[in-house]
Parts: sequence; structure tokens; C-alpha cells
Amino acid sequence: KAGVTQTPRYLIKTRGQQVTLSCSPISGHRSVSWYQQTPGQGLQFLFEYFSETQRNKGNFPGRFSGRQFSNSRSEMNVSTLELGDSALYLCASSYEGILRSEQYFGPGTRLTVT
Amino acid sequence: SQQGEEDPQALSIQEGENATMNCSYKTSINNLQWYRQNSGRGLVHLILIRSNEREKHSGRLRVTLDTSKKSSSLLITASRAADTASYFCATDLPKAAGNKLTFGGGTRVLVKP
Repeated sequence: KAGVTQTPRYLIKTRGQQVTLSCSPISGHRSVSWYQQTPGQGLQFLFEYFSETQRNKGNFPGRFSGRQFSNSRSEMNVSTLELGDSALYLCASSYEGILRSEQYFGPGTRLTVT
Repeated sequence: SQQGEEDPQALSIQEGENATMNCSYKTSINNLQWYRQNSGRGLVHLILIRSNEREKHSGRLRVTLDTSKKSSSLLITASRAADTASYFCATDLPKAAGNKLTFGGGTRVLVKP
């Protein structure tokens, strides 16, 4: 089985811009979750999508949004970028969801905001 | 503060030695998971242990869970240089807290050849 893929792998944006990150889960997995990892805050949960519905959400402002398509692929959007949004964004897929089964992580997208 | 917190923050051992790291959490959980992350890359799932389980093994890995103490430990036996990585525990929060999955700050393990 192919693993979780994320595109792009690296991204440089300017403050105020918006960005869209993409994640393709393992075939057959219905859950896709997103995480932000920074040296200061560690690994933080953003949200989980399951069968096209947002099922769980972390404590992030509304500038962070996402969606899931019928083929389970997911996108995450960050609007009005701030310097503090520079981070490694990881997505993970699982069959039953974040609370019930192990997650398989992609390699991440490293976003730098200047 | 985080739901799961690992201890120690960093660990340096010689190849062949065992490495033990601990995870403490605050609220009741349904399950606890351990993940490994090599420098700046995605996480790799190691073991999921449910709240009604006390111990689980996977190859050279042994995970214990003590729900009365709200703690878990990960033991890596006969460590290898390839085990050098950061190790994270992840716990689920109850529905009232938003059904989130929270990760601890991680333990950085360095295995010296």
C-alpha cells in the first residue's frame, strides 16, 4: 500500500498570504487529521475529518480550515498568514479515526512565513 | 499544560543498552499511543495500548500502562543507532474536552554507536 503523501513538501509564503496544503491518505482510510509542529508548542492537533465531515477540532483560530473530499483526500487552508504559522504541518490517516486506531503520518509540509 | 508529558526530555545511551521513557497524563483515557519521529520527518506509529490493557510488546518495544497512576512507559531493549529519534506519547481526551488527541513534548533519544 502506498503511504500518506503530502504536497508540497516545502513552502515559503509572505505574511498576509494564504496557503493550501494537500494530503492523500492511505487507500481505504476514512479519517484524515492534521497537526502543527513547532519547536515551541510541540505537536498540536488541528482537526480531523472523517467521511467528509469535520469530527474533531483543536484550539486554533478560524484562519485554519480544512475539508475532505469524497475520495478521502484532504486539504488544509491557512488564511492571512502570520509569522507564527511557520511550522511543520503533518497529516495522518487512519481507518477508524484518531481515537480508535493507529495513525499513519505523511512526511509533512514545512511552511515558512516571512 | 499538556495532557501527556514525557520524561525524561532527553536520553543518551550506548548501543546495546535499554532505553526507558515515561509518559504521564491527567485525565482518564480510552487508549494511549506511542510514536517515533526521526529528525523533522513524519511520525511512525509504534504501539497502541487500550485502557484495559497493562502491557504490550512489539519486537524490541515494551509498553506498560498504569491507569491508577495515569502513566505509561516505553522500553526499547538492545538499542541500535537507528533508534535515535524523538518518541511521543499521545492520549485521547474525553468527549467533554473535545475528543482531541494530544501529544506530549517528546523524549529525544540518542543512541551512540
